[in-house]
Amino acid sequence: DIVMTQSPDSLAVSLGERATINCKSSQSVLNSSNNKNYLAWYQQKPGQPPKLLIYWASTRESGVPDRFSGSGSGTDFTLTISSLQAEDVAVYFCQQYYTPPPTFGGGTKVEVK
Amino acid sequence: QVQLVQSGSEVKKPGASVKVSCKASGYTFTSFGISWVRQAPGQGLEWMGWISAHNGNTKSTQDLLGRVTMTTDTSTSTAYMELRGLRSNDTAVYYCARGRIVGGSTPIFDHWGQGTLVTVTS
Repeated sequence: DIVMTQSPDSLAVSLGERATINCKSSQSVLNSSNNKNYLAWYQQKPGQPPKLLIYWASTRESGVPDRFSGSGSGTDFTLTISSLQAEDVAVYFCQQYYTPPPTFGGGTKVEVK
Repeated sequence: QVQLVQSGSEVKKPGASVKVSCKASGYTFTSFGISWVRQAPGQGLEWMGWISAHNGNTKSTQDLLGRVTMTTDTSTSTAYMELRGLRSNDTAVYYCARGRIVGGSTPIFDHWGQGTLVTVTS
């Protein structure tokens, strides 16, 4: 199974500042035949189920604010919140869908400083 | 709008079984698979398995082989997950999630149920 490792475990960011979350896969999730990275990001607010934010490493799901962006390729990926809002307090998870079974990172908790 | 509504919380004794339901609405049920994902208290997300609502094919993790059964009832657009031989470390919130195939065969999860807390305690 592909192991997904996120860092940091938690971070505190001031409102309006940038938050950056990292995700590393134990093997590449880049498909060389279509040049796509099979990597998704989810947001989970307290007491709620996860919500899909981004797939193909950088494609925002419909309705997701553009302050959320994804980048990276191969084994190293980043989720950036460009200007943290109070409603962004949550745990964020990455997930690979390159090969079964789908596997998730351990999560990064984002709080307001 | 797409909705997945799950059954309510359960408290079970070790060795017992639990069956969680997930009723779908707002889309053609047989056009998407349903995955089951669990989250132990304060922990991350663990994919348990998947069922095709189209033909009933299933796949589950090696760890749960023999203990988990996933089924669907297309007449009511409902998916079910039964877990047998419950242990204390099966205590978790169990989610159903609609799987969207965007490439290959492994899905992303674009809609989730509200979760069902299963507590295993003697």
